[in-house]
Amino acid sequence: EAQVTQNPRYLITVTGKKLTVTCSQNMNHEYMSWYRQDPGLGLRQIYYSMNVEVTDKGDVPEGYKVSRKEKRNFPLILESPSPNQTSLYFCASSAGTGGTEAFFGQGTRLTVV
Amino acid sequence: GDSVTQMEGPVTLSEEAFLTINCTYTATGYPSLFWYVQYPGEGLQLLLKATKADDKGSNKGFEATYRKETTSFHLEKGSVQVSDSAVYFCALTIKAAGNKLTFGGGTRVLVKP
Repeated sequence: EAQVTQNPRYLITVTGKKLTVTCSQNMNHEYMSWYRQDPGLGLRQIYYSMNVEVTDKGDVPEGYKVSRKEKRNFPLILESPSPNQTSLYFCASSAGTGGTEAFFGQGTRLTVV
Repeated sequence: GDSVTQMEGPVTLSEEAFLTINCTYTATGYPSLFWYVQYPGEGLQLLLKATKADDKGSNKGFEATYRKETTSFHLEKGSVQVSDSAVYFCALTIKAAGNKLTFGGGTRVLVKP
């Protein structure tokens, strides 16, 4: 079954404690990205990757890091989380550019206290 | 920059009512347009898409027509069911921007029996 898998689904952490949210896709997609979803703002792109070892900033990259060492994995790293990073996070992957469908993971609800 | 504006919710309807969710966009290039749906506790799923002017996307009884002259992509369904209760996101991609999705703020729809 084609899918994007994120872990964990829920996470509560304290300010400043480094964390990683994993994302893996089994569709051999080249393009992967991370979004955060906040009420009334829709989803905003944090980082994206167009292929292995190729990553770039999206619209809201501050406070986040990513890596793309393998095609299937695209982890999101918060080196020093702050309360304003409390949000719902989604990983997505797609095969091409322009009008192709993006497949989304089930989301990670992060709370930073 | 590119942006998507959609009507704010929540929209509350009775079963079998007609649903319209307005969506307009501004884009620097020629966009592909999408509607994604998010059911409670799940990630986003593609509902329908249109990649050029005057195209009509349709799925599960939902329709939307790409109107370049009015920069709109309104979502419609003639007879909603309780199972259509979800959050609906209008989005666009520009080929020159890779597969970055620009989302509207989302519209929550609640269908009552």
